[in-house]
Amino acid sequence: QVQLVQSGAEVKKPGASVKVSCRASGYTFANYVVHWVRQAPGQRLEWMGWINPANGNTKYSQMFQGRVSISRDTIASTAYMDLSSLTSEDTAVYFCGRGPYGYGNVYYLDVWGKGTTVTVSS
Amino acid sequence: EIVLTQSPGTLSLSPGERATLSCRASQSVSSNFLAWYQQKPGQVPRLLIYGASSRATGIPDRFSGSGSGTDFTLTISRLEPEDFAVYYCQQYGSSQWTFGQGTKVEIK
Repeated sequence: QVQLVQSGAEVKKPGASVKVSCRASGYTFANYVVHWVRQAPGQRLEWMGWINPANGNTKYSQMFQGRVSISRDTIASTAYMDLSSLTSEDTAVYFCGRGPYGYGNVYYLDVWGKGTTVTVSS
Repeated sequence: EIVLTQSPGTLSLSPGERATLSCRASQSVSSNFLAWYQQKPGQVPRLLIYGASSRATGIPDRFSGSGSGTDFTLTISRLEPEDFAVYYCQQYGSSQWTFGQGTKVEIK
């Protein structure tokens, strides 16, 4: 079945970086965009950006521009999200999600990973 | 950036009742590219509706979406016990995606 398996929880100090992975299975990796969305405790969902595994094109939220980098390894069917200059406000659950695309559009998230908890604390 | 405002913040209803959730956009959502997700505590969001009114695979027909432009509605015709959750709208019509702040549907 279609699955997105994320890496385990991380604890980081302020100022550090974190890299979260998302391994896809059960579908053709290149046929769907991979998004990253985060959710701080008790807060709304926040979209961070996406990558098109077919060509490596990316789009980032202006809120995270300059701090986030999304990459992929097509051989391993895995997407990665790097977030730098961490502060306590980056403490959140980070989700990857799959989204269809076509006709110049990128669409909704139809499958989600289970999430990776990132805690930023000194 | 398109700001999505959901109302009410909390909806207190009994099983069997009808739930009507609103999502208002600060500007028109292109091509009605609006989705609704359900999230239960400690769980992953689940896609319910896309394109404002199309049900995702496996979603019961008691869930329906409507609206266009800046005003969208998610209706749950008869609440089942498993429907008590937080619901988020999300627009994907602009290159900067945004989510609403959520509506919690709780048991009265």
